[in-house]
Amino acid sequence: GAVVSQHPSWVICKSGTSVKIECRSLDFQATTMFWYRQFPKQSLMLMATSNEGSKATYEQGVEKDKFLINHASLTLSTLTVTSAHPEDSSFYICSARDPSGNEQFFGPGTRLTVL
Amino acid sequence: DAKTTQPTSMDCAEGRAANLPCNHSTISGNEYVYWYRQIHSQGPQYIIHGLKNNETNEMASLIITEDRKSSTLILPHATLRDTAVYYCIVRLPGNQFYFGTGTSLTVIP
Repeated sequence: GAVVSQHPSWVICKSGTSVKIECRSLDFQATTMFWYRQFPKQSLMLMATSNEGSKATYEQGVEKDKFLINHASLTLSTLTVTSAHPEDSSFYICSARDPSGNEQFFGPGTRLTVL
Repeated sequence: DAKTTQPTSMDCAEGRAANLPCNHSTISGNEYVYWYRQIHSQGPQYIIHGLKNNETNEMASLIITEDRKSSTLILPHATLRDTAVYYCIVRLPGNQFYFGTGTSLTVIP
């Protein structure tokens, strides 16, 4: 299957700083990528849909000014957590929709810890 | 919101078939059923998907009822490495996935 990578795999930052997470589709072009977060012992929660060349669509309750998404190319989407606080500590996972639209391939996730 | 309900947890003996049920009674005619699994602290792994017909691949079989209101994922010969959380998902027309709580499957030696 297709491969989706995320960078970094983990990050620790101080409260108030911003953190950027990259999501790349390595062997296919993805016009649509998705961002999720997962708190311990909970399921994945969809945060936003990222479309190449246009603004992301955010799920209800997700602050677009806090979680900035940029999908500037067909293989890269970035999520920036601005002014991170301890409650933003979570496992952030991206996925990319394959060109046929039938599958979503998930990245390995990025664990964010805000001190 | 997730359109699926699954049992919270299940056990299965190693080497036996694991049958994981899922209810999706509000599924629409053009919505697919997907199954993914997640091993601790990793991204979800695709298993199988289907619309109306039963499907089989090298990992599993998917049985969808005729009215499409429920489905069952079958792992024919469970191994210890199949211990994971299994998610049944109905894919919406915009391709969004809304994950439910999933089933935590434990394969017992």
